[in-house]
Amino acid sequence: GQQLNQSPQSMFIQEGEDVSMNCTSSSIFNTWLWYKQDPGEGPVLLIALYKAGELTSNGRLTAQFGITRKDSFLNISASIPSDVGIYFCAALQGAQKLVFGQGTRLTINP
Amino acid sequence: KAGVTQTPRYLIKTRGQQVTLSCSPISGHRSVSWYQQTPGQGLQFLFEYFSETQRNKGNFPGRFSGRQFSNSRSEMNVSTLELGDSALYLCASSMLQDTQYFGPGTRLTVL
Repeated sequence: GQQLNQSPQSMFIQEGEDVSMNCTSSSIFNTWLWYKQDPGEGPVLLIALYKAGELTSNGRLTAQFGITRKDSFLNISASIPSDVGIYFCAALQGAQKLVFGQGTRLTINP
Repeated sequence: KAGVTQTPRYLIKTRGQQVTLSCSPISGHRSVSWYQQTPGQGLQFLFEYFSETQRNKGNFPGRFSGRQFSNSRSEMNVSTLELGDSALYLCASSMLQDTQYFGPGTRLTVL
């Protein structure tokens, strides 16, 4: 089953608002990843984090690897309609095994 | 560079049948991982192959198996299908111990 606790499960926001979601675990991980999945498609990599405390940006997206190595957060600034989708956190466990959070479903009202 | 491709995209089978899904990784990627995605259990790791060897396996019954060929292409097989096997099956590829890139998935429906 799932080993990452992701919150919130869903968000309903207005276009232009900022978004924040996070992921926590009882285990330590050395790599955290954030993916976005659109309906009927596979997850698309947004940001990869490899070092505790690391803060990485990709356009309007910013993610941080928690200093304890047990958590990560993702922020989206100035949301736009194409940001709609399901966002997943993931952490690398062993040889190429990813464990995932339950996902955050983002809905944007124009 | 072409992304990960999976065939077929959609599949309908009946209980008791078996199915084979195919995955072609990004050129140069030697690791291929498989995941099952369902509304109830989310994304769960099935297994991972590197240089034709299974390196890691998730908690799935023996009905789920896979293999990797010398060109890094991979197949997964599910035998004696059950209704609960209905899911989106995702393949991901990576260079070595590196970030995984996912394909579009194969939607399997078991009737």
